[in-house]
Amino acid sequence: EVQLQQYGAELGKPGTSVKLSCKVSGYNIRSTYMHWVNQRPGKGLEWIGRIDPANGNTIYAEKFKSKATLTADTSSNTAYMQLSQLKSDDTAIYFCAMGRYYFDYWGQGVMVTVSS
Amino acid sequence: DIQMTQSPASLSASLGETVTIECLASEDIYDILAWYQQKPGKSPQLLIYDASSLHTGVPSRFSGSGSGTQYSLKINSLQPEDFASYYCQNGLSAPLTFGSGTKLEIK
Repeated sequence: EVQLQQYGAELGKPGTSVKLSCKVSGYNIRSTYMHWVNQRPGKGLEWIGRIDPANGNTIYAEKFKSKATLTADTSSNTAYMQLSQLKSDDTAIYFCAMGRYYFDYWGQGVMVTVSS
Repeated sequence: DIQMTQSPASLSASLGETVTIECLASEDIYDILAWYQQKPGKSPQLLIYDASSLHTGVPSRFSGSGSGTQYSLKINSLQPEDFASYYCQNGLSAPLTFGSGTKLEIK
């Protein structure tokens, strides 16, 4: 069974960074892409970007190019996303998801709250 | 970027009814389109991919159709567990854009 495990909730102060993790079990992440999607409170889904763990290649949505940094560790089958220079507008649930063109499997999401 | 225009934003229906949700892409996406269901407090779940292929384990009352720029999701004989939000998604090219969502509520 494929599972994407995201841990805990995050509270960050404005101007700081947080790093989110997504550990995959039941599938080798080298054979797929790992994506990150956010959802602001009461709003829709927004794609942030994706990484190809096999070679580290990344693609970001334009608005997240200076906000998010995606990495992956194939030895631990884990994907990461660092969010920098946090602002209140970054308060959202952040999901990791797995797939090539679609999001076949999703993590349970992590709530990131930005507050001083 | 490919824009995905989804309608309606909300929909009220009764158990047993059939409903249809529409998604219009700003350019031809060659059937590289998915539909997701999201329940409150949960992560989205893939329902349909390649415009009309049912994901593993998804009930057959869900179906997808369309081509070019126009796509639709149909749900036959609504069940209590179907009342949720639905999103379409362009899978053709990055950025992988979503429709704005449709909230399906019980009448």
